[in-house]
Amino acid sequence: KAGVTQTPRYLIKTRGQQVTLSCSPISGHRSVSWYQQTPGQGLQFLFEYFSETQRNKGNFPGRFSGRQFSNSRSEMNVSTLELGDSALYLCASSSVDPRTTGYTFGSGTRLTVV
Amino acid sequence: GESVGLHLPTLSVQEGDNSIINCAYSNSASDYFIWYKQESGKGPQFIIDIRSNMDKRQGQRVTVLLNKTVKHLSLQIAATQPGDSAVYFCAENSGGSNYKLTFGKGTLLTVNP
Repeated sequence: KAGVTQTPRYLIKTRGQQVTLSCSPISGHRSVSWYQQTPGQGLQFLFEYFSETQRNKGNFPGRFSGRQFSNSRSEMNVSTLELGDSALYLCASSSVDPRTTGYTFGSGTRLTVV
Repeated sequence: GESVGLHLPTLSVQEGDNSIINCAYSNSASDYFIWYKQESGKGPQFIIDIRSNMDKRQGQRVTVLLNKTVKHLSLQIAATQPGDSAVYFCAENSGGSNYKLTFGKGTLLTVNP
């Protein structure tokens, strides 16, 4: 079956702009989590959605937001981009209880802010 | 606060040897642990997981050991192959209404032919 699909794979944005990233989970998975990966900070949790509701949120500024649609697809938005937002943004999907199916990651969206 | 850390940032082994990657965690409430492998240009790939009611779990060529007394996790890879070269992360979850994973910094495993 298809894995977690993230689009686009690469993005280059200018400081101050905003960006929207998309994630389509594995069919049947209703939970979508987002992570930011940088060389300095590693993998850091952004937020998690289940059935269109945000269940958990990480320690990121309000410029980072997300949402989930009724078909479980999710988007995350970063407004007023800063150079430090350059990172690999990863999406992971899971069932209701990720301890049953684990977390499956997509290949990520590489965002470069110039 | 909770954190998950790795003892060794890099590990170099010969093909055919066994590899051991270690991880320390500080959140005593953590009850679920996962090892991920990440190859260049790809997202983390699930390797094996273990719950806190177990101290050992085996998969294909991999074994995870959990020592809750000292809050230590290890991943053993038997007969390491060049295709095992990647960055390995441990991650933990504290259960309940918490669905986030806290990741360690990662260990780069290099397998020499």
